[in-house]
Amino acid sequence: DAGVTQSPTHLIKTRGQQVTLRCSPISGHKSVSWYQQVLGQGPQFIFQYYEKEERGRGNFPDRFSARQFPNYSSELNVNALLLGDSALYLCASSLSTAGGGETQYFGPGTRLLVL
Amino acid sequence: AQRVTQPEKLLSVFKGAPVELKCNYSYSGSPELFWYVQYSRQRLQLLLRHISRESIKGFTADLNKGETSFHLKKPFAQEEDSAMYYCALKGGNTGKLIFGQGTTLQVKP
Repeated sequence: DAGVTQSPTHLIKTRGQQVTLRCSPISGHKSVSWYQQVLGQGPQFIFQYYEKEERGRGNFPDRFSARQFPNYSSELNVNALLLGDSALYLCASSLSTAGGGETQYFGPGTRLLVL
Repeated sequence: AQRVTQPEKLLSVFKGAPVELKCNYSYSGSPELFWYVQYSRQRLQLLLRHISRESIKGFTADLNKGETSFHLKKPFAQEEDSAMYYCALKGGNTGKLIFGQGTTLQVKP
């Protein structure tokens, strides 16, 4: 198993543009979470999706949206890009949303640079 | 408010020395706590979690609810332990993880 995969690996956009990032979870995992990691900081939670429904949302503006498809892959969309959106965007998958210390497996990330 | 604090951005030790990476948290309720590690050019991966009470690669971490801490310890550091370490808190029934800012561990030969 290749683990969690994300595409593209790198992306350069200009202010005001829109971007779509993609994530494929580990086979059998039904939950996908998105995180933003700004340089020098820890990852910050954006969204969690489980069975195609949003199960959690972090403190991000409405410019950020996401969805999950029937095959459990997910897309993160960011509209009207700002310079401050430049970051590493991480996707993590897990079996479900259940507690019990369930492990989240992270992808390699997509590095977004907004000019 | 839910928060994780890692007070040290960089911890530098010599090989064979003991290591303690500090983590303090703020959470009202029963938290689940984790340590994640990111080695150079690799993805973020789980090192250990408090509910398992396990030792991975010689690292241990004990949850101290009185001091709201979850410090990561290893008695004898190895050069291959050099990496970025993140403490994370999971609260509630969602998958939301709250990460600290991370501590870079540098083990010198």
